[in-house]
Amino acid sequence: QVQLVQSGAEVRKPGSSVKVSCKASGGTFSKYAFNWVRQAPGQGLEWVGRVIPILERAEYAQGFQGRVTITADSTTSTVYMELRSLRSEDTATYYCARVDFSSGQPFYFDYWGQGALVTVSS
Amino acid sequence: EIVLTQSPDTLSLSPGERATLFCRASQSVSSSHLAWYQQKPGQAPRLLIYGAYRTAAGIPDRFSGSGSGTDFTLTISRLEPEDFAVYYCQHYGSSLLFTFGPGTKVDIK
Repeated sequence: QVQLVQSGAEVRKPGSSVKVSCKASGGTFSKYAFNWVRQAPGQGLEWVGRVIPILERAEYAQGFQGRVTITADSTTSTVYMELRSLRSEDTATYYCARVDFSSGQPFYFDYWGQGALVTVSS
Repeated sequence: EIVLTQSPDTLSLSPGERATLFCRASQSVSSSHLAWYQQKPGQAPRLLIYGAYRTAAGIPDRFSGSGSGTDFTLTISRLEPEDFAVYYCQHYGSSLLFTFGPGTKVDIK
């Protein structure tokens, strides 16, 4: 079955960086785009960006441009999100979420990882 | 950039009742680009509806979606205890690729 398994919780100081991973299984890695969506405590969902491994292309939400890098390793079916210059407002649960291009309607997230809490605190 | 609003903020209902949740887009959108998710505390969101009305695999048939243009609806025909959760609508667009509404919480009356 399809699984997206994320790395564990992280604690970072303001100004530092964090890198979160998401290992995909149960499908053909090249058929998908992998996205990162975050959720601050008690808040709604916010799209961060995505990587399309087969195109080796990443796209980011405007508010994260220059501060985030999303990459994919097709040899291990793992996606990474690195967020730099962390501030307290980046404290959130970060989810990876899959979009299936082979569905013909790549406009929604069909599977989600379990989430990784990133806490930014001095 | 499309902005999604959801109403009501909170819906207090009893098991067995019908729930109707609304999602409004700031401008007309393609129905194929509208989805709904359910999120329970401590869990990741789960896809319920895509393409405005298509039910995702494994989702009970008490969940249905409808709408077009700027106004979309998620209906839960008879609430089960496990349906009390937060529901988000989501749009796929050309600029900010994915946007979410602020959510509607369905809680037990």
